[in-house]
Amino acid sequence: EAEVAQSPRYKITEKSQAVAFWCDPISGHATLYWYRQILGQGPELLVQFQDESVVDDSQLPKDRFSAERLKGVDSTLKIQPAELGDSAMYLCASSPRTSGSGVAKNIQYFGAGTRLSVL
Amino acid sequence: KQEVTQIPAALSVPEGENLVLNCSFTDSAIYNLQWFRQDPGKGLTSLLLIQSSQREQTSGRLNASLDKSSGRSTLYIAASQPGDSATYLCAPGGATNKLIFGTGTLLAVQP
Repeated sequence: EAEVAQSPRYKITEKSQAVAFWCDPISGHATLYWYRQILGQGPELLVQFQDESVVDDSQLPKDRFSAERLKGVDSTLKIQPAELGDSAMYLCASSPRTSGSGVAKNIQYFGAGTRLSVL
Repeated sequence: KQEVTQIPAALSVPEGENLVLNCSFTDSAIYNLQWFRQDPGKGLTSLLLIQSSQREQTSGRLNASLDKSSGRSTLYIAASQPGDSATYLCAPGGATNKLIFGTGTLLAVQP
């Protein structure tokens, strides 16, 4: 069964360092999402791509976070510089193209996530 | 701004019990609502998706209902099993499929 791939699974870094996370969505999925999940809370959307275009980045802290999906396939989320409060699980999800009919396009498939600890 | 509340925050039941998890949301202008399961330290698994025009969806022992006008959804789990132990998250979705998550219900099913 196709899965969303994320790497690394775990990342430990010191504050003020740069970190990057990678996500490879399910093949053919046009929409890609990055979420941040703080322990004990639900995930919060950071950025949503449709192909290579940003659909929503309203909750992305743009002074330190950046995301790209250059060829509309895999994506990278970067934090520079990392702060203590960035410690969280970073989840990537994908879904089929949002246009058109049918329920399947709305279902989001999640990767296993990257657990970030900032010391 | 959409706010999602899940009650109870935690629940412990003996194996075999039927149970109900509750979700309420403040903005009824949603396109769908999804229920997810999350195991400790793992990603999310989609359980059920209800379109805004639907009242309920069923998958195996799971049944989810949606009352859009009152801003409520419930997830019913029949004949619970220890393997059902996980955190259950509800998430109403908007026009762009943006999901707003609740904080979840942590379920423990005791053998």
